[in-house]
Amino acid sequence: AAGVIQSPRHLIKEKRETATLKCYPIPRHDTVYWYQQGPGQDPQFLISFYEKMQSDKGSIPDRFSAQQFSDYHSELNMSSLELGDSALYFCASSFLREQFFGPGTRLTVL
Amino acid sequence: DQQVKQNSPSLSVQEGRISILNCDYTNSMFDYFLWYKKYPAEGPTFLISISSIKDKNEDGRFTVFLNKSAKHLSLHIVPSQPGDSAVYFCAASAHTGNQFYFGTGTSLTVIP
Repeated sequence: AAGVIQSPRHLIKEKRETATLKCYPIPRHDTVYWYQQGPGQDPQFLISFYEKMQSDKGSIPDRFSAQQFSDYHSELNMSSLELGDSALYFCASSFLREQFFGPGTRLTVL
Repeated sequence: DQQVKQNSPSLSVQEGRISILNCDYTNSMFDYFLWYKKYPAEGPTFLISISSIKDKNEDGRFTVFLNKSAKHLSLHIVPSQPGDSAVYFCAASAHTGNQFYFGTGTSLTVIP
């Protein structure tokens, strides 16, 4: 069965650089969620999109932005990266309420 | 403010015995709960869910119990297998929003 695809799987950036993370949801899933999981922490909800419109917003910094495109894939754009942005970034997709997670992108900011 | 709490960061169980993982929540608006299993360097994998209209849901070796009055849910794994060793997260959501709130996770080790 198709799963949520995230790219890249690993990303290394320097402070003040920008990063773009991509998420390809399971076909026919209409909602995409982004989560950030810091070392030793639980996943924190960042933002979600339903039918290409932002549907909910969590603890997403102003330096980050995201969007969902016509093909339902989503991109998380991160600017002015800080050391504290180093984390695992998960994307999840859903059709009803059950969320299916991607493998995550590990971002390391040096 | 942690709305979903898993107070046991780790748990060790002998193979074949029952594993019980606990989760408490504070928001009475939560009406849908999930358990996820996570291996290192992988995304969380959905295990089992329960809606607030039920107090028990069973799927094979996994059973989730919900006690709404106590705002408590638990995941029972029986019999436990070494492959069950992973970090288990509980998550909750309210019908008023579509974000999930996660607990801090419990690391389960099943000893052969």
